Amino acid sequence: KNEVEQSPQNLTAQEGEFITINCSYSVGISALHWLQQHPGGGIVSLFMLSSGKKKHGRLIATINIQEKHSSLHITASHPRDSAVYICAVQPDSNYQLIWGAGTKLIIKP
Amino acid sequence: EAGVVQSPRYKIIEKKQPVAFWCNPISGHNTLYWYLQNLGQGPELLIRYENEEAVDDSQLPKDRFSAERLKGVDSTLKIQPAELGDSAVYLCASSPWGQGGTGELFFGEGSRLTVL
Repeated sequence: KNEVEQSPQNLTAQEGEFITINCSYSVGISALHWLQQHPGGGIVSLFMLSSGKKKHGRLIATINIQEKHSSLHITASHPRDSAVYICAVQPDSNYQLIWGAGTKLIIKP
Repeated sequence: EAGVVQSPRYKIIEKKQPVAFWCNPISGHNTLYWYLQNLGQGPELLIRYENEEAVDDSQLPKDRFSAERLKGVDSTLKIQPAELGDSAVYLCASSPWGQGGTGELFFGEGSRLTVL
């Protein structure tokens, strides 16, 4: 069983839909990262959080430390949101990030 | 503020040739990472520096890979000789934190290597 699991693996939605991507992990963590990677592009950090909720524009990230679960939400999705979204956790025992497999999101116009 | 700068963006070489990648992190970021990313997969850590010290190089294939960060600022990653299986994207990232914390990661655009 992977220490970081994302769901769904693939998601296709229509423009304007509300998107939720989930991340579950099995280790104690000090922080969780959400990152975005466009096809052929570099990786961009969206959020780093250790508790509660963060919002940036149309993106919202939440984390429940007790349940070892985080969600990334996109409101009013747009085709330019099409990318791979990656969850990565920093275990509280060391600094090396554990990466999820990513969720490939396609938003159709 | 400039982001993490990597060069070259693309490199095509024949197997057994050497190749080098360069990374200039964000100013003031003491932690620098080199990752390898294969198509459709997540990044795999090769080496992590805190300032000029390589604090984790356990996953760096030292028979052919080497890295340096002599003045604790920019860094180079070298492969000599390159093998077909080295074809991948080599990502550099920097972070303002060190000493056990990761902090927010800032990635460069990556250097895509194709070994023929």
